[in-house]
Amino acid sequence: AQSVTQLGSHVSVSEGALVLLRCNYSSSVPPYLFWYVQYPNQGLQLLLKYTSAATLVKGINGFEAEFKKSETSFHLTKPSAHMSDAAEYFCAVSEPRGTGGFKTIFGAGTRLFVKA
Amino acid sequence: EPEVTQTPSHQVTQMGQEVILRCVPISNHLYFYWYRQILGQKVEFLVSFYNNEISEKSEIFDDQFSVERPDGSNFTLKIRSTKLEDSAMYFCASSEDRSSGRNYNEQFFGPGTRLTVL
Repeated sequence: AQSVTQLGSHVSVSEGALVLLRCNYSSSVPPYLFWYVQYPNQGLQLLLKYTSAATLVKGINGFEAEFKKSETSFHLTKPSAHMSDAAEYFCAVSEPRGTGGFKTIFGAGTRLFVKA
Repeated sequence: EPEVTQTPSHQVTQMGQEVILRCVPISNHLYFYWYRQILGQKVEFLVSFYNNEISEKSEIFDDQFSVERPDGSNFTLKIRSTKLEDSAMYFCASSEDRSSGRNYNEQFFGPGTRLTVL
């Protein structure tokens, strides 16, 4: 069965510092992996996705993530944090279903705090 | 750019009342989903819908819940008799058919409906 583990429910970084949000997954088939960002009282915004092409995926707002099959990881990074990056981040794994659709399992989320 | 829309953005109801949450998926998508997020918790899968029938549902999706595609554009989630614990943000999503193009593996999420049960 699919599962997603995000290490650290809260991460605090200083403005300008490296952001590293960890995600490990389990899946019985090659997965599709996603990172979403959620600002307070808002919906889910797709940051980036891995769909079996390049293992290093670049997303919006300077974020990127690397798929490491051997470690079953898909950690999210950003070289330099900005105050506007403060939000909740969700890692998600999506498995194709027999009907052609998908089922997406989300991690518990990591709240990123950025200190001035 | 096409997007999934949801109405209302916020719904307040009394316990025991029926609510219908509405979604308009992206027009050429064939797969439809509902997810929910209880305040402060993770997003959970409720149900997927394809070809006018439920293709998969979670244990959360009990007899109080139903989904329907009443016409060619809307996709609804009905909660028959709401409970306090149904208070959550409900997200609709849709995805393409695999033959449609490179985005078939992505679910496009709507902005959500916040349901508050009093």
